Amino acid sequence: KAGVTQTPRYLIKTRGQQVTLSCSPISGHRSVSWYQQTPGQGLQFLFEYFSETQRNKGNFPGRFSGRQFSNSRSEMNVSTLELGDSALYLCASSSIAGTGSGNTIYFGEGSWLTVV
Amino acid sequence: SQKIEQNSEALNIQEGKTATLTCNYTNYSPAYLQWYRQDPGRGPVFLLLIRENEKEKRKERLKVTFDTTLKQSLFHITASQPADSATYLCALAPYAGNMLTFGGGTRLMVKP
Repeated sequence: KAGVTQTPRYLIKTRGQQVTLSCSPISGHRSVSWYQQTPGQGLQFLFEYFSETQRNKGNFPGRFSGRQFSNSRSEMNVSTLELGDSALYLCASSSIAGTGSGNTIYFGEGSWLTVV
Repeated sequence: SQKIEQNSEALNIQEGKTATLTCNYTNYSPAYLQWYRQDPGRGPVFLLLIRENEKEKRKERLKVTFDTTLKQSLFHITASQPADSATYLCALAPYAGNMLTFGGGTRLMVKP
């Protein structure tokens, strides 16, 4: 079956602009998480959605937001872009909400955002 | 605060040898620990998961150990091949939710 699909794959934005990234999870998966990866900070958790509800949120400013639709597809938005927002944004999907039972989490290929 | 440390320096080994990667953590009681492989410009790929009550897990040439007393996991690749060259990430997961906390990763280079 198809994996986690993220669009767009690459994009360049100007400081102050906003950006929306999209993620389609694996069919049947209801949990979607977003991560930011930078050379300096590594992979950092942004937020997690399950059944259209945000379950967890990482330590990021309010400029970072997300949502999940009824078909489990998710979008994340970054407003008022800063140079430091340049990163690889990764979406991950899982079949269940994670109860410590060790469900596998699958990552997409990511969206490369460059802010100039 | 939670801290996960992996060997920040690259690990260079000869083909055929066993690669051992280390993941140490503090201020965290994870439900389970996962290892991922990441190639340049690609998303992480899940390799192995080990639960807090498990000591060892194997999958083909891969082996992971988990010592919750030492707060350490070791990841072994036996009979390593140049195709194993990549960055390997460990991630800790809580009892509820899919919020993974990642280490900085270790870059493995296997030379033919």
